[in-house]
Amino acid sequence: AQTVTQSQPEMSVQEAETVTLSCTYDTSESNYYLFWYKQPPSRQMILVIRQEAYKQQNATENRFSVTFQKAAKSFSLKISDSQLGDTAMYFCAFMIGGYQKVTFGTGTKLQVIP
Amino acid sequence: ETGVTQTPRHLVMGMTNKKSLKCEQHLGHNAMYWYKQSAKKPLELMFVYSLEERVENNSVPSRFSPECPNSSHLFLHLHTLQPEDSALYLCASSLEWDRGQPQHFGDGTRLSIL
Repeated sequence: AQTVTQSQPEMSVQEAETVTLSCTYDTSESNYYLFWYKQPPSRQMILVIRQEAYKQQNATENRFSVTFQKAAKSFSLKISDSQLGDTAMYFCAFMIGGYQKVTFGTGTKLQVIP
Repeated sequence: ETGVTQTPRHLVMGMTNKKSLKCEQHLGHNAMYWYKQSAKKPLELMFVYSLEERVENNSVPSRFSPECPNSSHLFLHLHTLQPEDSALYLCASSLEWDRGQPQHFGDGTRLSIL
């Protein structure tokens, strides 16, 4: 069975600073996908970034980037120049290729402080 | 973002009531999902539909009954629920169900069982 672990239940960061959220996963599969989702207090969960396991290059989306270490089964999210709108729950998620069951972590609550 | 719409936003019901949650997606996606989100727990996948056919059922109690009349609509019929069923129920959709594509979520229905 696949597992996703987010070891930081809560984090805070000063506005304009950089923060890194940790995620580790466990699987014996070789073809899979990793995601970071953001759920603001308004509740709608939105995709932040997606990584394909067979791609060595780390995905980036504007201020959001990941460090994907396949051997270590680590998938951390870096948020640069943090903004107040980044305050949210962040969920790491894992999906095996060809199979749509997504396994989510328990989330990290990020608070951006003005 | 109004791609995935869920109604109602809030629902309070007694244990003997029958109610339904509705989800509609306007994204032209072929796959739709129901998740249960409880505090301090990972999202739990309940059901997956692809082109109106159920492709995943994660051992969900029979008091939850899904219905997918077409690829744009998904319902979750509720009857004889238990207090532990109180949670946020999220609907999501994706273009396909098996190709590692990200999911688009609705705002959820906050369900409270008296």
